[in-house]
Amino acid sequence: AQKVTQAQTEISVVEKEDVTLDCVYETRDTTYYLFWYKQPPSGELVFLIRRNSFDEQNEISGRYSWNFQKSTSSFNFTITASQVVDSAVYFCALSEYGATNKLIFGTGTLLAVQP
Amino acid sequence: DGGITQSPKYLFRKEGQNVTLSCEQNLNHDAMYWYRQDPGQGLRLIYYSQIVNDFQKGDIAEGYSVSREKKESFPLTVTSAQKNPTAFYLCASVAWDRILTSGNTIYFGEGSWLTVV
Repeated sequence: AQKVTQAQTEISVVEKEDVTLDCVYETRDTTYYLFWYKQPPSGELVFLIRRNSFDEQNEISGRYSWNFQKSTSSFNFTITASQVVDSAVYFCALSEYGATNKLIFGTGTLLAVQP
Repeated sequence: DGGITQSPKYLFRKEGQNVTLSCEQNLNHDAMYWYRQDPGQGLRLIYYSQIVNDFQKGDIAEGYSVSREKKESFPLTVTSAQKNPTAFYLCASVAWDRILTSGNTIYFGEGSWLTVV
């Protein structure tokens, strides 16, 4: 069965600190996709990144970086020099290869960045 | 601008009433989805539709119904059979023709808050 675990329910940091959000997944598929979404207080889900299972290269986008390790089934997300605007709930999600594109979500991590 | 529009943003339902949440997209996406979000539980799939006039149940379909008469529209009805409907509802869509390439990005609307009063 597919499952996504975000063990950190809430994280609080002070502005300019680095913070890593953990994501561990389970799947029997050999081809799958991993996602991170940001949900600010307004509620909409903002797409951040999609990673394919056959591409283990880490990715950096500005202050955001992602570390994908198939050996540990993890897809962690790091924010460098956090800012107050980063405060949100962050969701990790998994999608199997195939026609449905159904997303399996983790329970989310609430990140609070204090000024 | 292209996107996914959900309405209303806030909705109040009396017990025993059916209510319908609207989801419209002008992205020419084939597949559309409805998710429910409860505190501490992440998002759970209610229904999805991959093509017009066809839809499938997700993980928590009981008490909900949908229709897909047009490609751009996927309304969700919360029926009186749904015993605990108070939640945040999110609609999403994805293009079908990219399905066999490097994976698809699922885009979400801004959500609708439903409260039972």
